Amino acid sequence: EVVMTQSPASLSVSPGERATLSCRASQSASTTLAWYQQKPGQPPRLLIYGASTRATGIPARFSGSGSETEFTLTISSLQSEDFAVYYCQQYNNWPWTFGQGTKVEIK
Amino acid sequence: EVQLVQSGAEVKKPGESLKISCEGSGYRISSFWIGWVRQMPGKGLEWMGIIYPGDSDTRYSPSFQGQVTISADKSISTAYLQWSSLKASDTAMYYCARGTTLDGFDIWGQGTMVTVSS
Repeated sequence: EVVMTQSPASLSVSPGERATLSCRASQSASTTLAWYQQKPGQPPRLLIYGASTRATGIPARFSGSGSETEFTLTISSLQSEDFAVYYCQQYNNWPWTFGQGTKVEIK
Repeated sequence: EVQLVQSGAEVKKPGESLKISCEGSGYRISSFWIGWVRQMPGKGLEWMGIIYPGDSDTRYSPSFQGQVTISADKSISTAYLQWSSLKASDTAMYYCARGTTLDGFDIWGQGTMVTVSS
């Protein structure tokens, strides 16, 4: 199965600053890569699919890039509601697999 | 409105069986995958398996193959996740989610908490 590795495990960022999250696949995922945001007590929410397409209603400060094995989620100017855990997921090969998550915390 | 509504929280004893459900509404269930995701307390997301209700094509993660059974009844727009013999280590939140090969999981259920304790 494709192993997804996210880095860093946690990130401390001040509101208004930029956050860059990485996700690496153990084999090619093409651009079938999604990013999800999860806040405590809530189900995950789809942010980005196809590596770079924002899901419906997702603010433009969220952007995704990458292909094959290297992917990045960038939050251009962190807002208070963006502090959460972020997961990447490949859906190119069965089984679909998630990364272990990156927690974005307030600095 | 497209939504997935899951069955309520469960408290079970080790060795008991369980079947939880996920009902879709606002869309044609037979045209989308429905997947199941485990989240153990304080941990990350684990992809368990997925079913296409249109033809019952089902895929499992090797980690969960043989441990759970995924099924669906498209006539009532519902997918299921079941265990024949629960263990304490099955204690977790279980989410269902609508899946496509275009965008992964775009709609999520609210989650079903399963607690297994003697």
